[in-house]
Amino acid sequence: EVQLVESGGGLVQPGGSLRLSCVASGFTFNDYEMNWVRQAPGKGLEWVAYRSSTGNTKYYRDSVKGRFSISTDNAKTSVFLQMNSLRVEDTAVYYCASSELHWGQGTLVTVSS
Amino acid sequence: DIQMTQSPSTLSASVGDRVTITCRASQSISTWLAWYQQKPGKAPNLLIYRASRLESGVPSRFSGSGSGTEFTLTISSLLPEDFATYYCQQYYSYWTFGQGTKVEIK
Repeated sequence: EVQLVESGGGLVQPGGSLRLSCVASGFTFNDYEMNWVRQAPGKGLEWVAYRSSTGNTKYYRDSVKGRFSISTDNAKTSVFLQMNSLRVEDTAVYYCASSELHWGQGTLVTVSS
Repeated sequence: DIQMTQSPSTLSASVGDRVTITCRASQSISTWLAWYQQKPGKAPNLLIYRASRLESGVPSRFSGSGSGTEFTLTISSLLPEDFATYYCQQYYSYWTFGQGTKVEIK
């Protein structure tokens, strides 16, 4: 059974940092592209970041470029989202998802003073 | 970037109704389109992938059609558990989502 389990969310002040983790199981992690998607309270789904299966290509939505970084640890079948210089508008539930359209349950990030 | 336009944003319907939701892509995405159902506080649940393929375990009252730039999700006969928000997603070039359609009780 495919599982994606996120962790690392929490409350952080504006300008702070958080590192989200997503542990994958039940599929060959190295074969698939990985994404992070977020959903602000009461809003729709918004794609955030992409990493190719080889890890050679990474892509970000404009509003997080230069602040967020996606990375992976293939040995741990994990994908990470390092989030720096956080803003109030980054408040959302963050989901990791594979290119096979499997999703985790999400982790809540709240940016507030 | 590929834009996805979903309509309507809200749909009022009754149990037993046939419901259709439309999604339009700003450029051709072939059949690289998925549909999700989302209930409050839960992660999106995949219903349809590759525009018309039913995800395992999803009831057959859900169906998808279309290719290129025009796509539809149809629920043949609404059940109480189908009142939720539905999203389309293109995965032809990175990912983009439609704005969502809330199916509410009439």
